[in-house]
Amino acid sequence: EEQLLESGGGLVQPGGSLRLSCAASGFTFNNYAMSWVRQAPGKGLEWVSAISNSGAKTYDADSVKGRFTISRDDSRNMLYLQMNSLRAEDTAVYYCAKDAGQWPSNWLDPWGPGTLVTVSS
Amino acid sequence: EVVMTQSPATLSVSPGERATLSCRASQGVNINLAWYLQKPGQAPRLLIYGASIRATGIPARFSGSGSGTEFTLTISSLQSEDFAVYYCQQYHDWPRTFGQGTRVEIK
Repeated sequence: EEQLLESGGGLVQPGGSLRLSCAASGFTFNNYAMSWVRQAPGKGLEWVSAISNSGAKTYDADSVKGRFTISRDDSRNMLYLQMNSLRAEDTAVYYCAKDAGQWPSNWLDPWGPGTLVTVSS
Repeated sequence: EVVMTQSPATLSVSPGERATLSCRASQGVNINLAWYLQKPGQAPRLLIYGASIRATGIPARFSGSGSGTEFTLTISSLQSEDFAVYYCQQYHDWPRTFGQGTRVEIK
């Protein structure tokens, strides 16, 4: 069974940093692109970042460009999201999701249960 | 960016009835469209990709149609577990974008 599990969320002050992790299992991790999608409390879904299966290609939403960095460690079946210069509007549940193929990012299946990031002083 | 607009925002339906959800793209996305279902406190789950292809394990009562800018998700006979929020997502262009969601509630 394909599974994803995020970790690393928590409370952080504005301007601070946080690194999210996503552990993957049940599939050949280095065969698939991966994405991060977030959901602010009571709001809809916003795609954040995507990375190709090789890690050579990435794409970020304008709202996080220059502040967030997506990366992967295929030797550990791990996906990461380094988040710097955090703002209140980054408060959300962050989901990692497996892409349909290698690149570009298409539909997402499955998704992890999510990890909550709260940016507040 | 491609703006995805879903309608209605909320749909009230009785169990056993048919539900029709719409998704419109601000520019053509061919058939590069997916539908997801999200229940409270849970992660989204893929229902449909390629505008009309059911994902693995999705019941036949769910069907998708459309291409270009107009798409429809139909649930032929609503079951209790189908009351949730539904999102469409285009993967034709960057950034990937979602609709704002349609909540399907019990009438």
